[in-house]
Amino acid sequence: NAGVTQTPKFQVLKTGQSMTLQCAQDMNHNSMYWYRQDPGMGLRLIYYSASEGTTDKGEVPNGYNVSRLNKREFSLRLESAAPSQTSVYFCASSEERDRGATNEKLFFGSGTQLSVL
Amino acid sequence: GEDVEQSLFLSVREGDSSVINCTYTDSSSTYLYWYKQEPGAGLQLLTYIFSNMDMKQDQRLTVLLNKKDKHLSLRIADTQTGDSAIYFCAERGYGGSQGNLIFGKGTKLSVKP
Repeated sequence: NAGVTQTPKFQVLKTGQSMTLQCAQDMNHNSMYWYRQDPGMGLRLIYYSASEGTTDKGEVPNGYNVSRLNKREFSLRLESAAPSQTSVYFCASSEERDRGATNEKLFFGSGTQLSVL
Repeated sequence: GEDVEQSLFLSVREGDSSVINCTYTDSSSTYLYWYKQEPGAGLQLLTYIFSNMDMKQDQRLTVLLNKKDKHLSLRIADTQTGDSAIYFCAERGYGGSQGNLIFGKGTKLSVKP
């Protein structure tokens, strides 16, 4: 079972370059998420997609764009990378995102380590 | 807004019990979670507790919830070197967080042989 697959695993960019982080899940999940993880900051939500065709901003969306290409794939784009975007990026998915009292379990990819010089 | 607080580090000896503590602010949280992150990997759901429960036990893991004090703890019995990881507490946020999970900063557990 592949689960959530992220590519690439590592990337080094120069300031101002652009790139797209890819994420795919094979669990037929409706909801997908992009987080960044920084030392001492925990995980912060960048964008999420509650279902195919919808995307919404999370806690730290500035400098990023996302595309929910289909039910399986959710990409994160950095249009003009900045050193402040040096981080480890995690994609996650869940079966159903519900604002009510449901037990939403997130499944995470193994992460992309991005350095912006 | 919602916030989840954890101590950043915990060091124990192999065979001892580990207790990782967490406080949260959203009293309307219905589920609270513990995720584990091993080096170089993503987070994995370890266990969770529903807010109408005080305790949940799952093999070596015991979760205690004090809803009045908004305090959650994870106890690992007979801690092994393989338990060395970062442990994240999480609650579901409401209002401004629109129902997304709010994670603490993580507690790094080091197990010494």
